[in-house]
Amino acid sequence: EIVMTQSPATLSVSPGERATLSCRASQSIGSNLAWYQQKPGQAPRLLIYGASTRATGIPARFSGSGSGTEFTLTISSVQSEDFAVYYCQHYNNWPPITFGQGTRLEIK
Amino acid sequence: EVQLVESGGGLVQPGGSLRLSCAASGFTFSSYWMSWVRQAPGEGLEWVANIQQDGSDKFYVVSVKGRFTISRDNAKISLYLQMNSLRAEDTAIYYCARGGLAAAVFDHWGQGTLVTVSS
Repeated sequence: EIVMTQSPATLSVSPGERATLSCRASQSIGSNLAWYQQKPGQAPRLLIYGASTRATGIPARFSGSGSGTEFTLTISSVQSEDFAVYYCQHYNNWPPITFGQGTRLEIK
Repeated sequence: EVQLVESGGGLVQPGGSLRLSCAASGFTFSSYWMSWVRQAPGEGLEWVANIQQDGSDKFYVVSVKGRFTISRDNAKISLYLQMNSLRAEDTAIYYCARGGLAAAVFDHWGQGTLVTVSS
């Protein structure tokens, strides 16, 4: 099973600042990585797939990078609506499909 | 507009059974892999099971294998999860999700249905 590890567990930033979230895979997954955003009481929303491709309707301030085992989600200028929990998920050589434990982005 | 609406959740005793349903609309259901993903209270996301477009291939997380069965009815545009021998650790919100861009990239999600396993 591929284990996904996210860091940090909580990231505190001020609106307008840059946020960098990390995700590490326990073995190489190529670019088979997705990022999701989840707000309280809501279902997750797909942000990024293929490690760097934004899903439909996702603002350009969200970007993804990385390949192999190290991945990053960057929010260039955090807006108030971006405070949420973010999950990475691999889809390489499944099953199982596994998610990271999440990073909570909170207001500083 | 793609819509996924789950139903069937509720309170069940340990060892009991429950059947979840997911009604789909707004897309050609029979063209997509479909999955169930769950989230225990205050916890992260856990993929549970998925099923190929025609129902011929099904996969499960180890913790539910032999207890849960995923199925679909393309004529009724619906996805199902039969859950037997339920345990307290199965308590979670269960989401139905579409494998849109690849079988295991979830581009649309339902709002979820809560399953509580407790005596």
